[in-house]
Parts: sequence; structure tokens; C-alpha cells
Amino acid sequence: QVQLVQSGAEVKQPGASVRVSCKASGYTFSAYNRHIHWVRQAPGQGLEWMGWINPNTGGTKYAQKFQGRVTMTRDTSISTAYMDLSRLISDDTAIYYCVREVSGFDSWGQGTLVTVSS
Amino acid sequence: DIQMTQSPSSLSASVGDRVSITCRASQSIGTWLAWYQQKPGKAPNLLIYTASNLESGVSSRFSGSGFGTEFTLTISSLQPDDFATYYCQHYNSFPYTFGQGTKLEIK
Repeated sequence: QVQLVQSGAEVKQPGASVRVSCKASGYTFSAYNRHIHWVRQAPGQGLEWMGWINPNTGGTKYAQKFQGRVTMTRDTSISTAYMDLSRLISDDTAIYYCVREVSGFDSWGQGTLVTVSS
Repeated sequence: DIQMTQSPSSLSASVGDRVSITCRASQSIGTWLAWYQQKPGKAPNLLIYTASNLESGVSSRFSGSGFGTEFTLTISSLQPDDFATYYCQHYNSFPYTFGQGTKLEIK
């Protein structure tokens, strides 16, 4: 079965950077039209789309809000996607999810809590 | 950017009730719409894709309809497990955006 397993919780100081990883299994990671997205959810809030990576080509698209601060990459040899977010502020405290898109977001990682606090 | 607006924001209902949640897009998205269910402490779960297609393994009590700018999620007969928060999302073009959510509570 399809699984996305994310890295563990992080606590970061304001101004720092964080990397969250997402290891895929149960399907061909770089298959055509199996894109990976990143979505975050602040405490008690709704879902916010951050961006997308095509594991096949490495192509990316980011939400305007995160342009210049977020970088999404992948390593096809280990079926893993990464999301780097820099210049963290307290409002970046959230659960970060990686998600596979087939038609809609059909498989979600378990989520990674990133806490930004001094 | 396409804005997604759900209504109501919260809803109280009883087991066995039929309920509907509406999602409106700020411009036409065809049928590029999905619905998700989220329970506390869990990742969202895909219910409906391309507006009306039921995801594999999801109860047939859930159905979706709509085209263009107005969409509806209907739960035919509420079960205790259905009390959760529901989100719509368009995937017509970047950036994909979600509705603000509808919290379904037990009356």
C-alpha cells in the first residue's frame, strides 16, 4: 500500500531553517503524474497549500507566500522528497504534511510538527 | 488566485440526518474539486475527487456534485464516525487552495 513517512518533530529558533523529509513507498516514486505537494496546518487552523514538486523532472511550483523561503527537492534513488523552509518565524509553527496527488490528494504523510520558538 | 468559500463554517446535526456542505469557487474550476475529512490529530482523508467521484474505500453515504463554481458534499445518513471537519480544495490551477473548513458536530 502507498505510504508516505515523514521525519520527526522539530523545534527551531526564529530565523533558523528546517528540513522535513518524506519517504514514499508502495508505488513508483518518479512515475508520471505522481506529484508530491506540501501542505501545512497551523494549530487550530485550516489547510494551506505550500507548493508542488514533480518527482520525475524535479520541477517545482511554490505558493507566492513562500517564494524565496521554501525549496522543494527530491532524491529519486531513495524515493524521498524534501521541503526546506528558511527564515522561520513564530507563524511558521504548524504541522507540515507531504501529500501525493493522483486525482486529488490521495495519500498523506503522518505530518511533522515544526515549532518555532525562542 | 482562486478563492474557495465553504458554508456553513459549522454545523450541528444528529445521527441519521442528511447534511450538505457547499463550496463556492471565485472562478470556474470545471470539476477539479476534491473533498476531505479530517479528524482531530489526524491527517486529512480524501473522500471525493473530480467533484463527484468517490475515493476507493469511502462509504457510499458520501456523495459530491457540482460544476464550475458551486459544489456540494452530501452525507446521506450521518453516523457517529462522520463527526469531523470537512474541507474542499480546487486543483484547477496553481496555487491549489482549500476552503476554510466546515466543522460537523453532534447535536
